[in-house]
Amino acid sequence: KQEVTQIPAALSVPEGENLVLNCSFTDSAIYNLQWFRQDPGKGLTSLLLIQSSQREQTSGRLNASLDKSSGRSTLYIAASQPGDSATYLCAVCVTSYDKVIFGPGTSLSVIP
Amino acid sequence: DAGVTQSPTHLIKTRGQQVTLRCSPKSGHDTVSWYQQALGQGPQFIFQYYEEEERQRGNFPDRFSGHQFPNYSSELNVNALLLGDSALYLCASRGHTDTQYFGPGTRLTVL
Repeated sequence: KQEVTQIPAALSVPEGENLVLNCSFTDSAIYNLQWFRQDPGKGLTSLLLIQSSQREQTSGRLNASLDKSSGRSTLYIAASQPGDSATYLCAVCVTSYDKVIFGPGTSLSVIP
Repeated sequence: DAGVTQSPTHLIKTRGQQVTLRCSPKSGHDTVSWYQQALGQGPQFIFQYYEEEERQRGNFPDRFSGHQFPNYSSELNVNALLLGDSALYLCASRGHTDTQYFGPGTRLTVL
């Protein structure tokens, strides 16, 4: 059974710091992995999607890596800003039919 | 492009009642998935609809059912509501790429 965990559960950093969020999954047979952002009480915004054949994806200040063999993904945020404050969710897609398993999320607070 | 829309925004029901939530996918998208997100947790997959058929289902009881219409919009129905059904219900759509686009959700409170 696929399980997804995220560490840390919460993180507070001063503005301008670079930071890394971690995601682990138990079964390496994945279709793809996505990182999402969720603002309080809102829906999810897709940040990056990494196909199972890829190692990393980049978008602006965000970089996500994937190591299927070790069951790990990291989301790197460069030069953090207060507007980055949100919950970041890692999600593993186990089939091409979107059966997605989410982690519990990391709550990020960037202090001005 | 309006993106994924959901209605209603908030809903309050009592135990034993039935509820219907609605989702309109992003323009050009034909696949709709539904998720339940309890407070402080990640979303859990309920089911997915494609071509008006349920294609995948998560670990939810038969009280949770759905429908997809020819215009690709979708409904989620929950019968015999329990207190534990209180959650944010999220709809996501996608087209021919793998990226899912989420709606803002419907907050359901069961009293």
